[in-house]
Order: sequence, then C-alpha cells, then structure tokens
Amino acid sequence: GEDVEQSLFLSVREGDSSVINCTYTDSSSTYLYWYKQEPGAGLQLLTYIFSNMDMKQDQRLTVLLNKKDKHLSLRIADTQTGDSAIYFCAETLGTDKLIFGTGTRLQVFP
Amino acid sequence: DAGITQSPRHKVTETGTPVTLRCHQTENHRYMYWYRQDPGHGLRLIHYSYGVKDTDKGEVSDGYSVSRSKTEDFLLTLESATSSQTSVYFCATQGGGADSTDTQYFGPGTRLTVL
Repeated sequence: GEDVEQSLFLSVREGDSSVINCTYTDSSSTYLYWYKQEPGAGLQLLTYIFSNMDMKQDQRLTVLLNKKDKHLSLRIADTQTGDSAIYFCAETLGTDKLIFGTGTRLQVFP
Repeated sequence: DAGITQSPRHKVTETGTPVTLRCHQTENHRYMYWYRQDPGHGLRLIHYSYGVKDTDKGEVSDGYSVSRSKTEDFLLTLESATSSQTSVYFCATQGGGADSTDTQYFGPGTRLTVL
C-alpha cells in the first residue's frame, strides 16, 4: 500500500527537544519532506532531505533518514510555543506527486 | 508563498447540490493539485493537472471532476455533493522545472460542509 505512517500526537515542554517520526513506503523516493501546518492554514515546507543523505541540519531542525528501515525523523531543538502545529512527512511518487503521512500534532506547553 | 488563493474559503451546502471550488495562482506553475484533508487521513490527492487541459485522477477522485482551461485556474467540482465530502480542501501548485526538489506550495484551504 501507499500508507505513510506517523504517530498522531506529541506533547513537549517548552525548551525541550521534539522528535517526530515517520515511516514511509517507497524505497525509491528521491526526496522526503517535512511540512508544517498551523491552525487554519495550508501546509508550508519546513525542510527536505535527499534520499542518499543520512542527516540534514537546518538551524533548530535536524532530519535523520534510515533508508534500510524506511524511517524518517524530524528533531526540533529548543521547542517553542510557536512550534505548536501539525507536522506532515511526505515522500515523492514519481516526479510530480507526493504521498503525505497522517500528520503529527505537536503541542508545546510552558 | 506562491500566490495561491482559494475561493470560497468557507461553504455550507446541502446534499445533492453542485459545488465548485476555485484555485487561482499567479506564479505560472505548471502543476496544480486538489487535496482533501480529513482527521486520521492526512492529505489525500483528489485530482491533479500537469498543464492546461491535462488532468489526471488521484487516489480519491470518485464524485469529483476538475477543469483547467487556463494556467492560473484549477476548478474542482462536486457534481452532487454528499455528506462524505464534508472536508477541508487544499489546492497546491508545483513549478514543474527540471529541479526535482521543486516543492509544492499550498493555498489556505476551503472548508466545505455538506448537510
């Protein structure tokens, strides 16, 4: 099937690190993406990783990719209340389509 | 953002009525997409377009049709709305250039309620 799986909910304290996990399906996916959706808004691209990389760091964001296990993770360092949102991972299907995960709702409490 | 607008932003309609949602983009992007977002399902692709008058079905296309007569506009039509089509609908665009990192840009969404 084409199910990209994520846990539904994550709650962290402000200042701690958050780790959001994703299991994807297609080992031939060229790129894997993380999107953020704030309440009442569309999705915005946060970061992406090329499939031949193991890790990518972008300021507070670290993406880890384990191709053998088809596992992708997003780590947010020093999580802030403004990071509260739904986070979606997505994998490429061909060159013109994406398959999205179910989304993880991150709640940050003081 | 890629200058994507959706109209209407909210709509309430009755079962059996036709509904058309509009997506408009100002970036001259080649690809356009319609998704629906439902709890527990993430985003699911309804239809997409890879150019004017070129469209194809996504994974949940039953009950929906689309048209793209101009690069900037992509219309989604529910010929006879059903309660199962109550959802939030997102339009997205992608440039379609040679760079395969080309990401999709999303509109703000349309919340549709079918009574």
